[in-house]
Amino acid sequence: GAVVSQHPSRVICKSGTSVKIECRSLDFQATTMFWYRQFPKQSLMLMATSNEGSKATYEQGVEKDKFLINHASLTLSTLTVTSAHPEDSSFYICSARDPLGAGGGVNEQFFGPGTRLTVL
Amino acid sequence: AQSVSQHNHHVILSEAASLELGCNYSYGGTVNLFWYVQYPGQHLQLLLKYFSGDPLVKGIKGFEAEFIKSKFSFNLRKPSVQWSDTAEYFCAVKDDYKLSFGAGTTVTVRA
Repeated sequence: GAVVSQHPSRVICKSGTSVKIECRSLDFQATTMFWYRQFPKQSLMLMATSNEGSKATYEQGVEKDKFLINHASLTLSTLTVTSAHPEDSSFYICSARDPLGAGGGVNEQFFGPGTRLTVL
Repeated sequence: AQSVSQHNHHVILSEAASLELGCNYSYGGTVNLFWYVQYPGQHLQLLLKYFSGDPLVKGIKGFEAEFIKSKFSFNLRKPSVQWSDTAEYFCAVKDDYKLSFGAGTTVTVRA
């Protein structure tokens, strides 16, 4: 299947700093990417849908000023956690939808390996 | 809103045992159904999916799942597990636009 990468895989930062996480589709163009948050022993919770060239759509309860999403190209979406606090510590996962099936499945979502954020 | 429930939080079994993981969803409209697997330290991978047609779906690594519309269920099965099937398994349901995940089931296979 298609490959989605995330960078960094792990980040530790001080409270109050901002952290940027990148999500890239490596072998297909993704007009839509998704950002999830996963707590230990819990499900993936969709935070927002990122559409190339337009504003992201945030799920209810997700602060858009806190979690800034930019999808400037067909292969890159970024999530910036602004003024991070310890409660933002979590595992953040992105996925990218393959609209043309270049990765093996039309409109199938491929997931990145995740980014572990720890805010001290 | 969509909800997805997985009945088992943690399943422990021996190699060659049969596995069945339950998944129920709440959405009454047309849905697409998925099972994903997350091996230790790796990203989510698609095991199988159901969009339409034959409700018995066969996926990779010997897994299969059956969609029973009347029960809103999409249970995952494997007749004989291996140690390498140790992983976290997630059921997911997609409605018009959004993929909703169950809480996941940790499967531990003892050699």
